[in-house]
Formats: sequence, C-alpha cells, structure tokens
Amino acid sequence: QSVLTQAPSASGTPGQRVTISCSGSSSNIGNNTVNWYQQVPGMAPKVFIYRDNQRPSGVPERFSGSKSGTSASLAISGLQSEDEADYYCATWDDSLNGWVFGGGTELTVL
Amino acid sequence: QVQLVESGGGVVQPGRSLRLTCAASGFIFSHYGIHWVRQAPGKGLEWVAVISSDGNKKYYAESVKGRVSIFRDNSKNTVYLHMNRLRVEDTAVYYCARARGANEKGYFASWGQGTLVTVSS
Repeated sequence: QSVLTQAPSASGTPGQRVTISCSGSSSNIGNNTVNWYQQVPGMAPKVFIYRDNQRPSGVPERFSGSKSGTSASLAISGLQSEDEADYYCATWDDSLNGWVFGGGTELTVL
Repeated sequence: QVQLVESGGGVVQPGRSLRLTCAASGFIFSHYGIHWVRQAPGKGLEWVAVISSDGNKKYYAESVKGRVSIFRDNSKNTVYLHMNRLRVEDTAVYYCARARGANEKGYFASWGQGTLVTVSS
C-alpha cells in the first residue's frame, strides 16, 4: 500500500485534457514539493514535473503540475498517443524521513 | 551529459548478500546526492536509499532498514548499495538516480537504466 494515493488507471482520446491526481498527508505533500515521473514500459523513469509545477527542458508545455494542501495533480492537455505511459508522483515524507511514491497511474490514449 | 550505469545485479539465493554499483559520469559527482530506487516486476516504483554528496547523511526505506547500506567513493565517482539477508521480495530492477542538489531532499533528476536483482532458491 503506497503512502501517496493515485488512481491505477486513466484514459483519454487524442486532443483531450486528462488530469492525474496524487493524494497524501501533511507530513509529505502538505509540507514538501511534489515531483512527477513518466515511465514508458521497459524504460527508466524520467522526471516530467519537479517542485510542484516546474517543467524540465524538453518536456512539452502541455504537461503542467499543481498542488493544493495535501493533494497534487498532473494535467496533460492536447493528449497525444506518445503520452501513453505510467505516471508516478513522489515527495519527501517528514515522518518517515524518506521518499515516498504514489502507486502509479497507467495512462491509456484511446 | 549525465550518465549513470548500474551493475552487480544477478540471481542470488535468499539470505545471501549482493553489492550493486552505480558508476557516474558527465557531472561533478561530489556535488550531488545519489538515490537508489527499485521496481519489482509488474509493480510501481519504491525508493530504497539516498546518500548526500559528502556521504555523511544516509536515509533508508523502512522495508530495507538494517539490511541495506549505501556508500560512496567520490574519488571513483561511484555509489554502492550493499544488500544483506536478501528476501524474495527484494527481487526488482534497481535504479540509481542523481539527486537535484547535494542533500537527501533533492528529487530524482537523472536515472540510470537499472540492474535486475532476482532473489530465488
């Protein structure tokens, strides 16, 4: 059971906007920044959003992150087939003194 | 560019030990923390351990605490993960990742390709 909660799956059609949520608590999301990772099956993960809403160079502008209280979200607008992957949220947990991940959301582009 | 190469994985019997190595290049190694993150077959990501840039601070996941040790040799641009008393549930691909910054709270900015550890009798 993951410390951060994500829906196991999400889907959308090309061009649609999709949102993936990540729910935590005051010891993790509520007090630390959230990062989002994309993992294509068989490949290593890659950071897509860091510090709640910052996009690394090379990540398309249609990816955006936000946070409110103890929840965070990753939004993908103008969905494309290449966005089909697993997405994980992660942050530091002050109570555990370690990093915690969400269980991951498998995004399908219909 | 940043490169991280893991090695040392393989098949090992339960209760035995294994040492994983993460060799880094393309950046000033002594300036960055290094994480280990694992992924069991068909499962999600699980953080394992982190070591600060100077090696003085180390943090471990509860699931491995007391069985796993992380070390680094800044003269060799290498981080090691010593795993003892291995269990079947330690079977996973182990990734090393460079932190964003020197300390334990830097997120996983760059990742290696991983090394597979299989614990089986």
